[in-house]
Amino acid sequence: DQQVKQNSPSLSVQEGRISILNCDYTNSMFDYFLWYKKYPAEGPTFLISISSIKDKNEDGRFTVFLNKSAKHLSLHIVPSQPGDSAVYFCAGIYNAGNMLTFGGGTRLMVKP
Amino acid sequence: IAGITQAPTSQILAAGRRMTLRCTQDMRHNAMYWYRQDLGLGLRLIHYSNTAGTTGKGEVPDGYSVSRANTDDFPLTLASAVPSQTSVYFCASSVQQGTEAFFGQGTRLTVV
Repeated sequence: DQQVKQNSPSLSVQEGRISILNCDYTNSMFDYFLWYKKYPAEGPTFLISISSIKDKNEDGRFTVFLNKSAKHLSLHIVPSQPGDSAVYFCAGIYNAGNMLTFGGGTRLMVKP
Repeated sequence: IAGITQAPTSQILAAGRRMTLRCTQDMRHNAMYWYRQDLGLGLRLIHYSNTAGTTGKGEVPDGYSVSRANTDDFPLTLASAVPSQTSVYFCASSVQQGTEAFFGQGTRLTVV
């Protein structure tokens, strides 16, 4: 049973428009969520995070929103750029646990 | 440059053979992890180590073993490789359990 789910395997967006990547989770014990970005033939790199006590965190073009009641988070990229084309993974952590639990990933393609 | 180094970058391995994937970090992180990435399943934790001398099982530990003799090294061993272990393997580390993880570049393993 996947505790973190990314139901859209891929997303295509025009350059300059908004990209919205979604993530749902089932484990209510998660108290911290992270987004990772992965280019082909490279390891994932940390992008942005949010604590469960917040509902929004912003860093430049990237904003993460958390809706705890719906167990849903989303990553907004505005404006999208071709260099944003990558696979994006969301992950949850709980302090009593020992691991990041990842979703299946969403491949974002930003078209020039 | 500080970070995580994995070796080899890629490997084709005959089924039944033994293989050790190497991972070294120079950030003096306490926690280290091994994940495998498979299409649609995201990154799944194989084994982890919260500190030198201790290890634990993740989500998919069967067929794999690890050791943590010192802070820097965390090798992953496949005692007798099977085709279902064909995957991309990522080593990661974090300052302590449950915090943001930094990933290596990955090892692409094909078991034939």
